[in-house]
Amino acid sequence: GENVEQHPSTLSVQEGDSAVIKCTYSDSASNYFPWYKQELGKRPQLIIDIRSNVGEKKDQRIAVTLNKTAKHFSLHITETQPEDSAVYFCAAIQETSGSRLTFGEGTQLTVNP
Amino acid sequence: DTEVTQTPKHLVMGMTNKKSLKCEQHMGHRAMYWYKQKAKKPPELMFVYSYEKLSINESVPSRFSPECPNSSLLNLHLHALQPEDSALYLCASSHAYIDTEAFFGQGTRLTVV
Repeated sequence: GENVEQHPSTLSVQEGDSAVIKCTYSDSASNYFPWYKQELGKRPQLIIDIRSNVGEKKDQRIAVTLNKTAKHFSLHITETQPEDSAVYFCAAIQETSGSRLTFGEGTQLTVNP
Repeated sequence: DTEVTQTPKHLVMGMTNKKSLKCEQHMGHRAMYWYKQKAKKPPELMFVYSYEKLSINESVPSRFSPECPNSSLLNLHLHALQPEDSALYLCASSHAYIDTEAFFGQGTRLTVV
């Protein structure tokens, strides 16, 4: 089955700095990679995703890059703000029937004002 | 309406109690999920319903019993739980089951005493 490793487990940055969270996956058949943000006491929310036919995707201050050869993908947050503080989970799945979304262990991001 | 609504938000129950968690969505999604989430950990998949039929049971103990009365509703019946079952129980839905682009509910914080 798929195995997703996520680093770092905690990340502390100053407001305005950039933050990068990295994930590696084991199953080369995985082709969909979502990122979820979970604020304390709240639900996980999809913030950005990428499919394997794309190398990079950007949405305002958030971007995701995918390297299929190396089987890793990264979340980049620029100009961080205190409201970006949350736990971020990466995930991977092969979009075929019977697959399960495999999550990384999460990264606690703290943005200090 | 892009909401997945879960009730109750908090639940404290004894080990001999029977209770139910409820989940509702009106997005026309045909796949619905139950996840269990422990503190500082990613969500763990428990059950998947696709078109109101149970598609996946991730070897969950029988003290958890899911039910899908119709395409908008998902229940989780609880009986004879253990303290280690205390967790955040998240419901999610997606357009169809291949578990992508899932929308999560706010969760039920369950404490078993």
